Amino acid sequence: EAGVAQSPRYKIIEKRQSVAFWCNPISGHATLYWYQQILGQGPKLLIQFQNNGVVDDSQLPKDRFSAERLKGVDSTLKIQPAKLEDSAVYLCASTASRVGGELFFGEGSRLTVL
Amino acid sequence: KNQVEQSPQSLIILEGKNCTLQCNYTVSPFSNLRWYKQDTGRGPVSLTIMTFSENTKSNGRYTATLDADTKQSSLHITASQLSDSASYICVVPLGGFQKLVFGTGTRLLVSP
Repeated sequence: EAGVAQSPRYKIIEKRQSVAFWCNPISGHATLYWYQQILGQGPKLLIQFQNNGVVDDSQLPKDRFSAERLKGVDSTLKIQPAKLEDSAVYLCASTASRVGGELFFGEGSRLTVL
Repeated sequence: KNQVEQSPQSLIILEGKNCTLQCNYTVSPFSNLRWYKQDTGRGPVSLTIMTFSENTKSNGRYTATLDADTKQSSLHITASQLSDSASYICVVPLGGFQKLVFGTGTRLLVSP
């Protein structure tokens, strides 16, 4: 079974530039999460999708971050314009949404903003 | 407030030794608790899921315990190996759509 795929693995940009990350969840997984993980901290939820609908985006900085999950499969997370404090690993995770079900993470996309 | 706290924040042990990591949670209602291992530069990988009725669950050299009364869990690593060097994250879901509350993790370094 293929895992959660993310790209790019690494990205370096200057502040005020834009960047986009892509995630392809495990086939059939209805729930998809984007997390931001700053070095030395636990993951922080940015947005949660159930199929192609948003369940929770309360911690998404909507003035600069956007995310979509067209057709309820893969998803993109965009940052525009980037700030220095956006330097982090952006993790995508998916689950089949069963109670107690397993949550699978991708390898993450490491963003460095200079 | 729904929180997950882990201790210690970091830990260094010699190869072959045992160690125990702690997780205290205040998430309610409680359905299950998960331990993840995150190698540097990688995504978290599940070690175990503990449900309300389970007290102990083992996965190789990893043994997790759960005390739902005191809202505490521990992860015991036996005969540590260099490859155990990683961050260990405790996670408790909240709500029906599996909203997850993450601990800040314990960073373990196994020294030769």
